[in-house]
Amino acid sequence: DIVMTQSPLSLPVTPGEPASISCRSSQSLLHSNGKNYLDWYLQKPGQSPQLLIYLGSNRASGVPDRFSGSGSGRVFTLRISRVGAEDVGVYYCMQSLQTPSITFGQGTRLEIK
Amino acid sequence: EVQLVESGGGLVQPGGSLRLSCAASGFTFSTYWMHWVRQTAGKGLVWVSRIDDDGGSTTYADSVKGRFTISRDNAKNTLYLQMNSLRAEDTAVYYCVRAQKSSRWTLGSWGQGTLVTVSS
Repeated sequence: DIVMTQSPLSLPVTPGEPASISCRSSQSLLHSNGKNYLDWYLQKPGQSPQLLIYLGSNRASGVPDRFSGSGSGRVFTLRISRVGAEDVGVYYCMQSLQTPSITFGQGTRLEIK
Repeated sequence: EVQLVESGGGLVQPGGSLRLSCAASGFTFSTYWMHWVRQTAGKGLVWVSRIDDDGGSTTYADSVKGRFTISRDNAKNTLYLQMNSLRAEDTAVYYCVRAQKSSRWTLGSWGQGTLVTVSS
């Protein structure tokens, strides 16, 4: 299985400041079709996960444009341009290149300073 | 608005069975792949199973293969997960998830989850 490793595991951020989370995979997630099979999810406290970014850099419907995804191959980044209180939660990356063995990162907990 | 409402979770003894249901609304259920994903504090998020839009194709994680069966009733807009020979390590919150149309392994919309506890 492809192993997904996120860093940092804990991320305290001052409101209004930017934040970034890194996700590294044990194998390249770049398909021959040119797409990177890497998604980002956010699980807010007491809620189920929600899709933020799919195929590396595409924002899901309704996701604010302060969220952006970048990267290719084995290294990916989720950036939040200005963190707000509503962004608190655990962020997960997930690979879907190697199906059906899709795998998640261990999660990064974002908190407000 | 997409709504996915799971039910059927609860406490069951090791070796027992449970059937989870997921009632879908707010979209054309019969045109979407559906998945089950589970979450534990120890192992985090783990994909369990998926089914294609007409139920003709299914796939399972190795950890549940031969014990769990995913199915759907498109006339009732409902997804199921039949869980047999349950083990303590199956204890988790189980989420029903609708796939994205554009990327069928992208987990687009999640239900609120139902807790399954396997314990004597």
